[in-house]
Parts: sequence; C-alpha cells; structure tokens
Amino acid sequence: AQKVTQAQTEISVVEKEDVTLDCVYETRDTTYYLFWYKQPPSGELVFLIRRNSFDEQNEISGRYSWNFQKSTSSFNFTITASQVVDSAVYFCALVDTGRRALTFGSGTRLQVQP
Amino acid sequence: DTGVSQDPRHKITKRGQNVTFRCDPISEHNRLYWYRQTLGQGPEFLTYFQNEAQLEKSRLLSDRFSAERPKGSFSTLEIQRTEQGDSAMYLCASSQYGGPGTGELFFGEGSRLTVL
Repeated sequence: AQKVTQAQTEISVVEKEDVTLDCVYETRDTTYYLFWYKQPPSGELVFLIRRNSFDEQNEISGRYSWNFQKSTSSFNFTITASQVVDSAVYFCALVDTGRRALTFGSGTRLQVQP
Repeated sequence: DTGVSQDPRHKITKRGQNVTFRCDPISEHNRLYWYRQTLGQGPEFLTYFQNEAQLEKSRLLSDRFSAERPKGSFSTLEIQRTEQGDSAMYLCASSQYGGPGTGELFFGEGSRLTVL
C-alpha cells in the first residue's frame, strides 16, 4: 500500500525567509516515483518535480531544492528566499510500479507574508 | 492546445439529481485520470483510462459513479442520485504514457460540485 504524509498543515513565513516542506512516504516497492505539485489559489495543480527511487541526488532549480533520502523515506522541498508568489498549497505524491495513479499527501499550505 | 479543460467549472445541484462532468485532455495524451479533492485534502484517485480502456477504479468510485472515455479523447464522469457527501472538486488530469511513473500529470482547473 502507498501512503504519503505531509505533517505540516500550514506554514507562514515572511518574505525572503527559507522554508522547508516535509514529505514522508510509505511503499513496499523498491521502484517508485515521487512528485511535488503546487496548487495556487486558482486551483490548477502544477507539476514541480519527479524523482525515481534510484536517483538520490538532490536537485536544485532556481530557488527550489529537493532532498530525497531513502533511509528516512523522505522527500523534502525547500524554497530559498521565499516570495509572496510562492503562497500556495504544495502536495507531495507517490506512485510505485504496482499502481498507475499518484497517491497524494494532504498538502501543506504555505503563506508568504510581505 | 492550451491544456486540460473541464466543464462545467461549477455545478450546484439538489440531492438526488444526476450530474455529468466533461474533461478534454491534452490532445496527444493517452492517459486520463479523474481525482476528487475535498477541502483541506489532497486529490484522491477515482479512476483512470488508457485510451478508451478504463484500467483502474478506486474503491471510492461507488456504483453511483460512472466514467467513460468513448473514443479515447474526452471523458465524462457521471454521478447519479447525488448525495451531500459528493460535494467536492472533481479534477481531471492527462499524461503521455512513457513507462511506469513517467509522464507528469497535467491537471485541469476542476469542476466544483455543491450538493444541497
């Protein structure tokens, strides 16, 4: 069975602060894929990143970075120097080879105050 | 093509009525998914199609729910005898299959259902 846990329901920061969103996952498969999606107030989920279980290299894309650690089953997401436009709900998701559909966590609402 | 489109964006209905949602995926995408999202929760998988074949259905999809993708293009999700618990955002997503776990999902803006 797949499960994704995002323990932080809501985080509020002031602009330019760094913020880390936590994601812990469960799967019995050795091959799986992890994702992060952003859901701005408009409602449309936007893909941010995909990671497969064999690639534990951390990734950086501009102000965004992701830390994948299989030993702790975590795939955390850090926004550096946050901006008001980063305000959204962020979802972590998982799919393993036994399923074809993503399992999403419950999301973390990030509010960046000016 | 500007992305996944869903219609209607909002639907208010009385309990017991039937409703139908339509999803038009990105044209070259062969996979189409329906998810349901309630307030404060992540999207929950309902069903998915590869071309016109419905390959997986969640246990959330009760007998009152039916989805079709007749020609492998657009899809409809019908809810019969709606209940207040059906109130949610119904999200459609599409992807181009390239192997397990590949193909990011492109989501529509959703169809919000309110059952009175």
